Amino acid sequence: GAGVSQSPSNKVTEKGKDVELRCDPISGHTALYWYRQSLGQGLEFLIYFQGNSAPDKSGLPSDRFSAERTGGSVSTLTIQRTQQEDSAVYLCASSSSPRGTWEETQYFGPGTRLLVL
Amino acid sequence: SQQGEEDPQALSIQEGENATMNCSYKTSINNLQWYRQNSGRGLVHLILIRSNEREKHSGRLRVTLDTSKKSSSLLITASRAADTASYFCAMNSWGKFQFGAGTQVVVTP
Repeated sequence: GAGVSQSPSNKVTEKGKDVELRCDPISGHTALYWYRQSLGQGLEFLIYFQGNSAPDKSGLPSDRFSAERTGGSVSTLTIQRTQQEDSAVYLCASSSSPRGTWEETQYFGPGTRLLVL
Repeated sequence: SQQGEEDPQALSIQEGENATMNCSYKTSINNLQWYRQNSGRGLVHLILIRSNEREKHSGRLRVTLDTSKKSSSLLITASRAADTASYFCAMNSWGKFQFGAGTQVVVTP
């Protein structure tokens, strides 16, 4: 596709349920990021994938959060036993350049708005 | 925290006026980028300035970078209602990509 896509656009779930959020990066982009954005706040880094390297999970807020990237393309962010404080917009971004390189630019998806009741 | 700080937090101007927002950071960077976000959705990349550059232009956007003061500014000239959005600076620091908290800009007709 032309850009980063994410699904679902919106997700409403009950406290304690598990949710899966999907990200399709731009074809050929080796770097993929997940961020969380609470209402009116900046972006909170969650996890970074680069090619086949071990992901940087340093931003995951708890062990209820996990993410996978299959075949170096599609990524899934899973939140187990959701809590109300997990309510936020979850943004995915991809880049053709590894993190920290001179010209790295991230391309963002539209986000998934998660509401935990 | 390595996260940048932006000011003002919010800015309200009329169409045709210029909008200026500032970003300060704490660590050395290899580049700094500005993004725009509409309605709490995905961010759109606006402009990138390298650490060895001092000023850059793109259309109605002008970005400056002062590495000695660890600060950057984004100027939007001749603003339009369509410029209403949140603007974020992002510091690229060799392996760390940190976003500021954003400036919410409202442009009224």
